[in-house]
Amino acid sequence: GENVEQHPSTLSVQEGDSAVIKCTYSDSASNYFPWYKQELGKGPQLIIDIRSNVGEKKDQRIAVTLNKTAKHFSLHITETQPEDSAVYFCAACYSGYSTLTFGKGTMLLVSP
Amino acid sequence: DAGVIQSPRHEVTEMGQEVTLRCKPISGHDYLFWYRQTMMRGLELLIYFNNNVPIDDSGMPEDRFSAKMPNASFSTLKIQPSEPRDSAVYFCASSRYEQYFGPGTRLTVT
Repeated sequence: GENVEQHPSTLSVQEGDSAVIKCTYSDSASNYFPWYKQELGKGPQLIIDIRSNVGEKKDQRIAVTLNKTAKHFSLHITETQPEDSAVYFCAACYSGYSTLTFGKGTMLLVSP
Repeated sequence: DAGVIQSPRHEVTEMGQEVTLRCKPISGHDYLFWYRQTMMRGLELLIYFNNNVPIDDSGMPEDRFSAKMPNASFSTLKIQPSEPRDSAVYFCASSRYEQYFGPGTRLTVT
């Protein structure tokens, strides 16, 4: 089955800096890669996703890149703000819409 | 849309008691998932349904756990009898394409 590894497990940045979280996956058939943000006491919230037919996707301050050959994808947050502090999860699956395999999560702390 | 709705939000019970967690998926979604989240094991998929039919329950830890989906707008996860190691946050999620999570139920078994 699919295996997703996520790094780093914790990340501390200063407000305004950029943050990058990286994930690798094992199943070359995977073609859907969402990212979730989980704030304390809340459920994971889908913030951006990418499908294997594109290499990059942007939404305001966040972007995701995908390298199918190397089987890795990354989340980039620019101009970080304290409200970006949360746990971020990457995930992967084949043909979407069914079961996701999640990474272990990255705790991002943005200091004012 | 109100999103995925879960109840109760918090549940404290004694070991041996029956616990029932409830979920209302987003209208129009045909997949429903139950997850368990702990610090040690992260997010674990317990079971998922497609069009109200259980597809894969291989993540259900023991026979003490059972899940039902009697119709497209309601699902339950039941633990009987509960044990302290069942303490966790339980999430329900639904999808048509992207998967959306509910707020979770924090279960504490003493």
